[in-house]
Amino acid sequence: KQEVTQIPAALSVPEGENLVLNCSFTDSAIYNLQWFRQDPGKGLTSLLLIQSSQREQTSGRLNASLDKSSGRSTLYIAASQPGDSATYLCAANMYSGGGADGLTFGKGTHLIIQP
Amino acid sequence: GAVVSQHPSWVICKSGTSVKIECRSLDFQATTMFWYRQFPKQSLMLMATSNEGSKATYEQGVEKDKFLINHASLTLSTLTVTSAHPEDSSFYICSAREGEWGSYNEQFFGPGTRLTVL
Repeated sequence: KQEVTQIPAALSVPEGENLVLNCSFTDSAIYNLQWFRQDPGKGLTSLLLIQSSQREQTSGRLNASLDKSSGRSTLYIAASQPGDSATYLCAANMYSGGGADGLTFGKGTHLIIQP
Repeated sequence: GAVVSQHPSWVICKSGTSVKIECRSLDFQATTMFWYRQFPKQSLMLMATSNEGSKATYEQGVEKDKFLINHASLTLSTLTVTSAHPEDSSFYICSAREGEWGSYNEQFFGPGTRLTVL
């Protein structure tokens, strides 16, 4: 069964720093991997989706990479801002005989950007 | 595009009562909808997958008689928590996917429903 691990569990950095969030998954038979942001008590905001055939995706200050063979993905946040403070979730989508199953989520990285 | 709504956004109920949560795809037809649950400071866990017009598939450990899922149309799925107890208090989030059954399209998430059982 797919397991998704996110490191670190929590991170607090001063505003302006570049940072990297890590995600690893045990089963490389994914068809895509997705990064989400979740604010306290709120739903999910999709940030980036990387198909299994892709190596990376970029959106503004965010860049996500995928190394399927090693079971790793990273989310790079450039020039961090206090508004980036949130929990960041990584989720893997698997191939299955009947089409994709639901996403398998990591426990998230709780990020605090200090003003 | 690709907007998913949930109703209600929060609900408080007494132990033993049943609660229905709706998940709607507003601008696309969702052949498949997923229901997730998130306990405080935990990640999202998939509860069940429903395909329009057929029975839901439940994940191991999720009681199908307690969490009734109906996906009667291409834009609406409902989750009914029957005989709710305090341990069912959680954040319930749905997602929806368009395309043929078995497709690998992106899932779009609703805003979630906070259930508190007293």
